[in-house]
Amino acid sequence: DARVTQTPRHKVTEMGQEVTMRCQPILGHNTVFWYRQTMMQGLELLAYFRNRAPLDDSGMPKDRFSAEMPDATLATLKIQPSEPRDSAVYFCASGPDRVIPSYNEQFFGPGTRLTVL
Amino acid sequence: LAKTTQPISMDSYEGQEVNITCSHNNIATNDYITWYQQFPSQGPRFIIQGYKTKVTNEVASLFIPADRKSSTLSLPRVSLSDTAVYYCLVGDPSNDYKLSFGAGTTVTVRA
Repeated sequence: DARVTQTPRHKVTEMGQEVTMRCQPILGHNTVFWYRQTMMQGLELLAYFRNRAPLDDSGMPKDRFSAEMPDATLATLKIQPSEPRDSAVYFCASGPDRVIPSYNEQFFGPGTRLTVL
Repeated sequence: LAKTTQPISMDSYEGQEVNITCSHNNIATNDYITWYQQFPSQGPRFIIQGYKTKVTNEVASLFIPADRKSSTLSLPRVSLSDTAVYYCLVGDPSNDYKLSFGAGTTVTVRA
């Protein structure tokens, strides 16, 4: 049963510290998405990659957030420096290559719950 | 991305059918309609996707009228475990299907 994995599941840190969240997409998937979920804003798309290349990170605060895919099995989302307003659940999702052009499903990981004090 | 409107919440009882209607008046020709389900403390999960008429799978049915300006997700005979948030999304799959999640509909199933 292939799944997207995310680490850590929970992270508590102090304002100003660097936070790194990791995601292992489902093997063979070529699109990777990062989302942030808060009670106030709901689910927001932060960035996404196709074949490891960043295609859109317009939803991400550029001054403190960065997203990378060092290889096909790892996606990272970094926040430096972190702020209390970054407290949220961060989800990673991956999608398969579109064998059927009209069909596209994203598979979400369990999320990383980040608390910045 | 087309904007969607759906009820904030719905209550139901076990064994009943739940129908959630989503409005998407500015849906584009290439857009598909997709529904996701999210349980507490979990990531969203794909339920069903359609373009027109009716689509059915083991979990739900999706009804889409000819003008495609709305769609209805039907959950047959719900159980307590169907309590979740349900999101209606509209987008073009050929565009890597960037998803725009709204507030969703919180469905609460009671015994």
